[in-house]
Amino acid sequence: AQSVAQPEDQVNVAEGNPLTVKCTYSVSGNPYLFWYVQYPNRGLQFLLKYITGDNLVKGSYGFEAEFNKSQTSFHLKKPSALVSDSALYFCAVRDSQLSSGSARQLTFGSGTQLTVLP
Amino acid sequence: DGGITQSPKYLFRKEGQNVTLSCEQNLNHDAMYWYRQDPGQGLRLIYYSQIVNDFQKGDIAEGYSVSREKKESFPLTVTSAQKNPTAFYLCASSPDLRRHETNYGYTFGSGTRLTVV
Repeated sequence: AQSVAQPEDQVNVAEGNPLTVKCTYSVSGNPYLFWYVQYPNRGLQFLLKYITGDNLVKGSYGFEAEFNKSQTSFHLKKPSALVSDSALYFCAVRDSQLSSGSARQLTFGSGTQLTVLP
Repeated sequence: DGGITQSPKYLFRKEGQNVTLSCEQNLNHDAMYWYRQDPGQGLRLIYYSQIVNDFQKGDIAEGYSVSREKKESFPLTVTSAQKNPTAFYLCASSPDLRRHETNYGYTFGSGTRLTVV
């Protein structure tokens, strides 16, 4: 089975400070990892993904994420937060082993509400 | 531009009524999904379809029904049996994940907010 956890429901950070939104995962095989962002009353927008290769993945809007296999984590980061980054962030995982029925779908975390304070 | 379109953006339902939410995609994706999102909550899977004329129940299928007569379309009907339908509904699509394209994520529509009046 595959699962993903976002341990923080809410993250507050001052504008201009670095931000981190945490994500840990569990899979049988190798993970495919995704971050999405959701603004109020909108659908989820893709930010970035890790499939293989470099552990540091760069995505949209200056966001990046670091894949850490030993800690089974994929934390989202940004060096300098903007007020406009305030949104709901979702981490998602898919197991690379196609033989598992659940691996045919993404499993989403419960979401982390990021608030950037001016 | 390819994308996924949900309509309407806002929908109001009276007690005892069935309503249908539309989801259309022109991405040539085989798989489509319906999620429910309650305020401050994560996503809960209602139904999904991996191919035309086939669909599977998700975690909270009771009170909902779907059809998949065309590859492009996956409408969701919220029936009167769904006692608490007020929520934000999201449709998504992806390539067929039973093949090798497992590094694909989902593409989401912009959502439909359903309110019982």
